[in-house]
Amino acid sequence: DVKVTQSSRYLVKRTGEKVFLECVQDMDHENMFWYRQDPGLGLRLIYFSYDVKMKEKGDIPEGYSVSREKKERFSLILESASTNQTSMYLCASSLTSTGAYEQYFGPGTRLTVT
Amino acid sequence: QKEVEQDPGPLSVPEGAIVSLNCTYSNSAFQYFMWYRQYSRKGPELLMYTYSSGNKEDGRFTAQVDKSSKYISLFIRDSQPSDSATYLCAGERANNLFFGTGTRLTVIP
Repeated sequence: DVKVTQSSRYLVKRTGEKVFLECVQDMDHENMFWYRQDPGLGLRLIYFSYDVKMKEKGDIPEGYSVSREKKERFSLILESASTNQTSMYLCASSLTSTGAYEQYFGPGTRLTVT
Repeated sequence: QKEVEQDPGPLSVPEGAIVSLNCTYSNSAFQYFMWYRQYSRKGPELLMYTYSSGNKEDGRFTAQVDKSSKYISLFIRDSQPSDSATYLCAGERANNLFFGTGTRLTVIP
């Protein structure tokens, strides 16, 4: 079974802090994705990566950056957290770019910025 | 306008009922259409996918896509309490997924 793990289930940070969200997948998947999920807005793509050291902006990249130094690990960075970044963050992976329709999600990190 | 629109519900049905969940989309470039299921406090998991128009059946679940009307449907027969979850429809374009907001379904025993 594919397993996607995220470093924290719940996180509380203060405005202005730098926040790191870590995601690890154990099935040698090429593609990794970061989404945020908000009531009434659904899942929105922040960043994605098709390969090590590659990154592409999604629909809402402002205020975020990412890092992919190893194939299995994809990190989301909030450079200076703000209250409007309070959300559920979901990491996902898929085997190849041609199989992007089948994404495997982690359990999510609920981030609260106060 | 979101590329995929979905009625958020919530939807409550008695056990054994047939459930119909629906989405519309605006982008003609979508090739794959997916239904993901998300239980409370969990990440979404792929339930079914369909390529282009047509029907696909898997046990009690049937996914239907009508590209002429840009309509995506999921039917659940003989619904069970364990089907209680949020159902997310999605379209795929350029290897990225575009999700609806999700419909929360409760099946009452």
